[in-house]
Amino acid sequence: NAGVTQTPKFQVLKTGQSMTLQCAQDMNHEYMSWYRQDPGMGLRLIHYSVGAGITDQGEVPNGYNVSRSTTEDFPLRLLSAAPSQTSVYFCASSYLQGANSPLHFGNGTRLTVT
Amino acid sequence: EDQVTQSPEALRLQEGESSSLNCSYTVSGLRGLFWYRQDPGKGPEFLFTLYSAGEEKEKERLKATLTKKESFLHITAPKPEDSATYLCAVRALGGGGSNYKLTFGKGTLLTVNP
Repeated sequence: NAGVTQTPKFQVLKTGQSMTLQCAQDMNHEYMSWYRQDPGMGLRLIHYSVGAGITDQGEVPNGYNVSRSTTEDFPLRLLSAAPSQTSVYFCASSYLQGANSPLHFGNGTRLTVT
Repeated sequence: EDQVTQSPEALRLQEGESSSLNCSYTVSGLRGLFWYRQDPGKGPEFLFTLYSAGEEKEKERLKATLTKKESFLHITAPKPEDSATYLCAVRALGGGGSNYKLTFGKGTLLTVNP
């Protein structure tokens, strides 16, 4: 199993550009989520999904869109990149059954917006 | 609002020098407390889940304990390869998809010198 796979690993954008961060998991996890990690701020939840066709906002959703058309994939879209979105983005997934199923993380996408 | 505070922010130990990391939390109802390890450039890696006060879990040189207000990660006779950032997170009782989200602390950066 590959686990949670994120692409790209690194990305540089200019202010106003759009892009999609990809996330795929092969563990048949129903729950998927996106976090951003900033120095001194810890991991903050952006959006999450409990299954195909179902998404919801987390703590810091502004400027980001998500969709969930399949169980495996959960892309994160930046509509118009801003320097404040410079961060490391992590995708994480878990089972729904057993509410204490741990989150499994990908290795992140490091995004710089200039 | 769920809150997780970790201390110290950074800890430097000599190889073999045992110590503890602290995680204090405030939640409306605790479903589970999680410890993760994060190496530079990688995603968080799951270590332990604790469910109720008094519970303890061990893995090699690490032991996690839980009270009603805090958790400790005890590191016995650490080695340089234990150097990493250790993250604490809580999952609170809630409705719908919020049952599954984790709220993270900012982490403790542990450095073990040979």
